[in-house]
Amino acid sequence: DAKTTQPPSMDCAEGRAANLPCNHSTISGNEYVYWYRQIHSQGPQYIIHGLKNNETNEMASLIITEDRKSSTLILPHATLRDTAVYYCIVRVVTSYDKVIFGPGTSLSVIP
Amino acid sequence: NAGVMQNPRHLVRRRGQEARLRCSPMKGHSHVYWYRQLPEEGLKFMVYLQKENIIDESGMPKERFSAEFPKEGPSILRIQQVVRGDSAAYFCASSPPSGGGYNEQFFGPGTRLTVL
Repeated sequence: DAKTTQPPSMDCAEGRAANLPCNHSTISGNEYVYWYRQIHSQGPQYIIHGLKNNETNEMASLIITEDRKSSTLILPHATLRDTAVYYCIVRVVTSYDKVIFGPGTSLSVIP
Repeated sequence: NAGVMQNPRHLVRRRGQEARLRCSPMKGHSHVYWYRQLPEEGLKFMVYLQKENIIDESGMPKERFSAEFPKEGPSILRIQQVVRGDSAAYFCASSPPSGGGYNEQFFGPGTRLTVL
């Protein structure tokens, strides 16, 4: 079973920031928070991951709370192409174990 | 650097036929994973392979399904005697060899299997 809890769906206006929350209250000390997304009919796409510090790359920012029990993925300026299902996953970074996908959050970016 | 490649992208089979799905990992990647996504459902892990070895097949159905990742060539997911319930999107992912780095998995575009 997935170790994370996400809202099933969210809407965001085009051009605005999309903030996707994730709860992972049972996260272990050696587990990272990963985010993937799946645009309709395509393969999942890696977005970002982090341990305890906030992370930013060209796609998004990841904010992890100090107690590491929750995090937020931020898409700073959402476009229509960001409409997708977003998956928050916790896993050990050095493990080659399978990725366990939950139902994710279906983000709809609205014109 | 080409991404993960899967072929065919679409495959149609009649009940009872065999389906062979191929996955070429990213260059330099030695770990391959197969996932299945049934219609309107989430992604489910099937099997994890390294070259010539099956590491974890806990998600594979007990019958009709097999996977291999030979020393040379792509990884193959083989489904014998397909049934309509096998209709799904099958995704392959790969990750680089061990070395202390991050092991995010890179996914291919998937093969959509339709069983008539």
